[in-house]
Amino acid sequence: GENVEQHPSTLSVQEGDSAVIKCTYSDSASNYFPWYKQELGKGPQLIIDIRSNVGEKKDQRIAVTLNKTAKHFSLHITETQPEDSAVYFCAASIEGYQKVTFGTGTKLQVIP
Amino acid sequence: DAEITQSPRHKITETGRQVTLACHQTWNHNNMFWYRQDLGHGLRLIHYSYGVQDTNKGEVSDGYSVSRSNTEDLPLTLESAASSQTSVYFCASSPRTLSGTGELFFGEGSRLTVL
Repeated sequence: GENVEQHPSTLSVQEGDSAVIKCTYSDSASNYFPWYKQELGKGPQLIIDIRSNVGEKKDQRIAVTLNKTAKHFSLHITETQPEDSAVYFCAASIEGYQKVTFGTGTKLQVIP
Repeated sequence: DAEITQSPRHKITETGRQVTLACHQTWNHNNMFWYRQDLGHGLRLIHYSYGVQDTNKGEVSDGYSVSRSNTEDLPLTLESAASSQTSVYFCASSPRTLSGTGELFFGEGSRLTVL
């Protein structure tokens, strides 16, 4: 089955700096890569996703990049704000199969 | 507003007891999932269902069971609770899509402690 590795497990940045979270996946058939944000005491929520026919996708301060050849994908958050502090999960899936495999999570702390 | 609710939010039980965690969604989603969240392991899939009367095992299904008798509910049962099942459990649902993967909508979690 699919295996998703995520690094780092914790990340502290100063407010206004950028944050980068990196993931690798093992199954070359995976073609859908969502990112979820989990705030304290809540369930995860989808913040952005990317499909394998696209190399990069942006939504305001967040962007995702995908390197299919290397099986790497990354989340970039620019101009970080205290409300970005949360646990972020990357995930991989094969479109149409609905089942999603998650990484181990990154706890991001944005220091004011 | 449509939502997904889990109950109980917190439960303490003893080793060997049967425990059922409830999950109810009002989106009319076909797909429902149970995950457990543990430090260092992220979210791991326990069981999932693509519709009424359909259930499938995930990567960590041993000791757990589910049943899907209607669209709205997917209860998770621990037949004989073990200390290794102490965890936070999340239920999620997603809509059926023609060819893609639907967004997962998560509940707020159920924290289970097995003593």
